[in-house]
Amino acid sequence: DAGVTQSPTHLIKTRGQQVTLRCSPISGHKSVSWYQQVLGQGPQFIFQYYEKEERGRGNFPDRFSARQFPNYSSELNVNALLLGDSALYLCASSSDRGNNQPQHFGDGTRLSIL
Amino acid sequence: GENVEQHPSTLSVQEGDSAVIKCTYSDSASNYFPWYKQELGKGPQLIIDIRSNVGEKKDQRIAVTLNKTAKHFSLHITETQPEDSAVYFCAAKVSNFGNEKLTFGTGTRLTIIP
Repeated sequence: DAGVTQSPTHLIKTRGQQVTLRCSPISGHKSVSWYQQVLGQGPQFIFQYYEKEERGRGNFPDRFSARQFPNYSSELNVNALLLGDSALYLCASSSDRGNNQPQHFGDGTRLSIL
Repeated sequence: GENVEQHPSTLSVQEGDSAVIKCTYSDSASNYFPWYKQELGKGPQLIIDIRSNVGEKKDQRIAVTLNKTAKHFSLHITETQPEDSAVYFCAAKVSNFGNEKLTFGTGTRLTIIP
């Protein structure tokens, strides 16, 4: 079975631009979470979506937004990009079959801001 | 909110020896503790997890121990092999069905010396 897939793998943008990152969860997984991983640090939680509804939001500015589609895929949007937004953006999916189900990560989108 | 500290930041171990990575957490409501392995250019890969109703869990050469009273948990890798070289992250999650927010430690770069 395919794991979590993310696109694109790499992206270069300039300050002030907008970007959309995409994620397809593992088949059957309805929960999708987004994380930001700055070089040398652990991932930081941005959003969680379940059944197209936002279930959790981390400490990120309103420039960050996301949505989930009926097929459970998800998009992360970042507006007015800043140099500090350069990072690896990770998507994780999990099953809804009970509490504390494992989260499985994709390989991420490497976003570079010039 | 939850805060997870991880030590050491770097660890070099002779092939065949054991490696131990330790984490502490701050929120006593946390009850799910996964460990991830991240190789260069890849997303985090779940290697083992433990829930707070269990004190120890083992999977072949990997084991995790949890001390809820002291709020710390550890990863033990025995008979280390070169392919164990990677960055390892611990994480913690508060038990709340529908809440998927993982709080990560800062990572340990493990190097296995042949």
